[in-house]
Amino acid sequence: QKEVEQNSGPLSVPEGAIASLNCTYSDRGSQSFFWYRQYSGKSPELIMFIYSNGDKEDGRFTAQLNKASQYVSLLIRDSQPSDSATYLCALVSGSARQLTFGSGTQLTVLP
Amino acid sequence: DAGITQSPRHKVTETGTPVTLRCHQTENHRYMYWYRQDPGHGLRLIHYSYGVKDTDKGEVSDGYSVSRSKTEDFLLTLESATSSQTSVYFCAIRAGEGQPQHFGDGTRLSIL
Repeated sequence: QKEVEQNSGPLSVPEGAIASLNCTYSDRGSQSFFWYRQYSGKSPELIMFIYSNGDKEDGRFTAQLNKASQYVSLLIRDSQPSDSATYLCALVSGSARQLTFGSGTQLTVLP
Repeated sequence: DAGITQSPRHKVTETGTPVTLRCHQTENHRYMYWYRQDPGHGLRLIHYSYGVKDTDKGEVSDGYSVSRSKTEDFLLTLESATSSQTSVYFCAIRAGEGQPQHFGDGTRLSIL
């Protein structure tokens, strides 16, 4: 079992809708989680990070963490076509705090 | 931008040749990482560094070596490139504890 699992999609939502992206992980000791967005042919860029159980909001983005159930999710409100990208979930592990990534979920927001 | 420059941005080479990729940072960050990204696998860690001359292996280190003689430069070397090493390579840096990683623009490497 991979350490970080994401539904590869593609996930399509209409413009203005809420996009929900989910990620599960296997290491109960994981403490820190990151969401990156990656446009086609570009490098990953950080959207949000979350360390504590519950919700963390930043503009149109909300990250949710449930350590008991071992999942982390990202909600995008009022989705825009410019949000169309691959979203990568990652957790921090190891002494050098390296990232372990999921395979990513491809999101398409339809105008 | 996070002050990370990867070079070259694109390279095509032949099987069996040595290849060196460079990651240069202007942020004076302690931690540097090399990842490769392949379809269906996401990003996988190759090697990382936690200081000058301090490096360690990641998940997919076979066939790769690294060096870090200066804080600002982290080199990834393929001693004898194979077609399975065709990939997009990303360098990342991190300032310190609790800080996120930031990525360079990547190097697209094709080995024929």
